[in-house]
Order: sequence, then C-alpha cells, then structure tokens
Amino acid sequence: AQSVAQPEDQVNVAEGNPLTVKCTYSVSGNPYLFWYVQYPNRGLQFLLKYITGDNLVKGSYGFEAEFNKSQTSFHLKKPSALVSDSALYFCAVFSSGSARQLTFGSGTQLTVLP
Amino acid sequence: EAGVTQFPSHSVIEKGQTVTLRCDPISGHDNLYWYRRVMGKEIKFLLHFVKESKQDESGMPNNRFLAERTGGTYSTLKVQPAELEDSGVYFCASGGTGGYIGTEAFFGQGTRLTVV
Repeated sequence: AQSVAQPEDQVNVAEGNPLTVKCTYSVSGNPYLFWYVQYPNRGLQFLLKYITGDNLVKGSYGFEAEFNKSQTSFHLKKPSALVSDSALYFCAVFSSGSARQLTFGSGTQLTVLP
Repeated sequence: EAGVTQFPSHSVIEKGQTVTLRCDPISGHDNLYWYRRVMGKEIKFLLHFVKESKQDESGMPNNRFLAERTGGTYSTLKVQPAELEDSGVYFCASGGTGGYIGTEAFFGQGTRLTVV
C-alpha cells in the first residue's frame, strides 16, 4: 500500500521569508510525486511533479520541491513567500507498482503573514 | 481549453435524501476519477473510470454510492440515501491516455456536500 504524510496541519510564515511544507511518502515501487494547491473556493491546482531525473523540481508560482529517496521525502519550498501563497497544499504519490490512482496527504494550511 | 467542471458547487440536503453530483471531464480524456475529502482529512480515492468502464472502484465506501459514466463522457455520482458522514468535498479529476505518469490529473473545483 502507498501512503503520504504531511506532518504539519498548519504552517505560518512571514512574507518574504522562505517557506517549506513537508511531505514524506511510502510506496512499494518507484514513486511519482505531486504537489497540488487549493485556493479558497477553487479546485485543486497542479503545482509540480517528480517522475524521474533531477531531484530538484521546479513548478508554478516559484515553487520547487526536492525528491530525497533515502529520506522518502518530497518537501515543497519557495525562497520568498507571498501573502497570495496562502492556501491549502496537498502532497500526493502514485506508484508504478500500484493501481493507477493518486494517494494524498491530509493537507497543510499555509498562511503567509504580511 | 475548458477544464474539468463539476456541479453543483455546493449542495445541502437532509439525511435520507438523494443527491447527484456531476463531472464533465476535459474533452478527450479517457480517465476520470472521483475523490472525496471529509472535513480536515486526506483526499481519498473513490473510483476510476477508463472511458465508460469502471477500472477501480475499491474506494467506494458502500452501496449507497453509485457512479456512472454514460458514453465515456460526463460522470455522475449519486448518493442514496445520504447520511451525515457523507458530508465533504467531492473532487473529480480527468487525465489523458497516459494516466498519471508523465502527465498530471486535472481536477475540478469540487462539490461541497453538506448533509444535515
């Protein structure tokens, strides 16, 4: 079975500071990792994905994530947070050895304080 | 290009009533998925269609939930009769023939279902 853990329900950061939203995963095969964001009253929006290749993945709105196989982590990062980044962030995994469905974490609410 | 569309965006019904949610995927996408997020918890898989066929319905919670995808186009998810624990946000996603590998699934805005 595959699983995703987002250990922080809430992350607060001051505008202009770097932000990190943590994600760890467990899969039986090769992991395919995703970050999605949900803004208030909006649907889930794709941010970035890791399939293979470079461990540092760059995505939309200046976000990036680093795949760390030894730590089974895929933390989302941004060098300088904006108030508009405040939203609910979901990490998800899909394994080559599993059924063709995404498994999501429980979400992390990011609040960027002005 | 139109995205995944879901409606209604919000539904409030009484326990015991029936509700039907609809999802219109991106045109040409064979894969259609339903997910649900119950308050504060993870987004959980419900089922997966490939065209009009149910590929995987292992996430459907019980037989009060019925999903259909007539003609391999739009899909409906019916809850009958609704219970309080069915409240949550129901997401639909669609993907091309490659599934998730090499692509991303496109999600709709969700339907917030409240059972009172």
